[in-house]
Amino acid sequence: SQELEQSPQSLIVQEGKNLTINCTSSKTLYGLYWYKQKYGEGLIFLMMLQKGGEEKSHEKITAKLDEKKQQSSLHITASQPSHAGIYLCGADSKRTSNYQLIWGAGTKLIIKP
Amino acid sequence: DGGITQSPKYLFRKEGQNVTLSCEQNLNHDAMYWYRQDPGQGLRLIYYSQIVNDFQKGDIAEGYSVSREKKESFPLTVTSAQKNPTAFYLCASSMGTGGFDEKLFFGSGTQLSVL
Repeated sequence: SQELEQSPQSLIVQEGKNLTINCTSSKTLYGLYWYKQKYGEGLIFLMMLQKGGEEKSHEKITAKLDEKKQQSSLHITASQPSHAGIYLCGADSKRTSNYQLIWGAGTKLIIKP
Repeated sequence: DGGITQSPKYLFRKEGQNVTLSCEQNLNHDAMYWYRQDPGQGLRLIYYSQIVNDFQKGDIAEGYSVSREKKESFPLTVTSAQKNPTAFYLCASSMGTGGFDEKLFFGSGTQLSVL
């Protein structure tokens, strides 16, 4: 079965600095979701990547899908306090359904003012 | 505003007690899901429903039950058979019947604890 490993598990970054979070799959990644969660709250959709090499950006967040590395990275530029939270990736190795999504354990991001 | 409402926010269960978590959506979505979130673990699917009056077991359905009598409602019952129910429970929905390209919309969750 597919497994997703997120790294790092937690990250403390000075406000204004850039950072990268990774999501590595044990199987080929054909598609992947990134969500953000505030502590004790629900998940908010960030981006969906559907093919190798795809890159998407939203405001200061950029996500890439590297099919060969079986990895996706999430990059935040000039971090702000609003970026703090838990970032989760979800993927299905066959890209068939979202009820077969496997989820990473999350990366907890803290922004120091 | 459209969205998913979960209630209560916090719930406590006594030994041998069944408890029901509410999930209501006004997005007119066909599919609804229940996930369990434990510290240090990824989300795990409990049950999902693609259409009214039909639902399927997820990866960890034992000790849980659901119903889907109305399109907008998908309540989850945590039965006494679930021996380790303490977790954060998330309800979600998607527009269609669960295709990979249908993003999930999540409620704000219910924290269930055992007394």
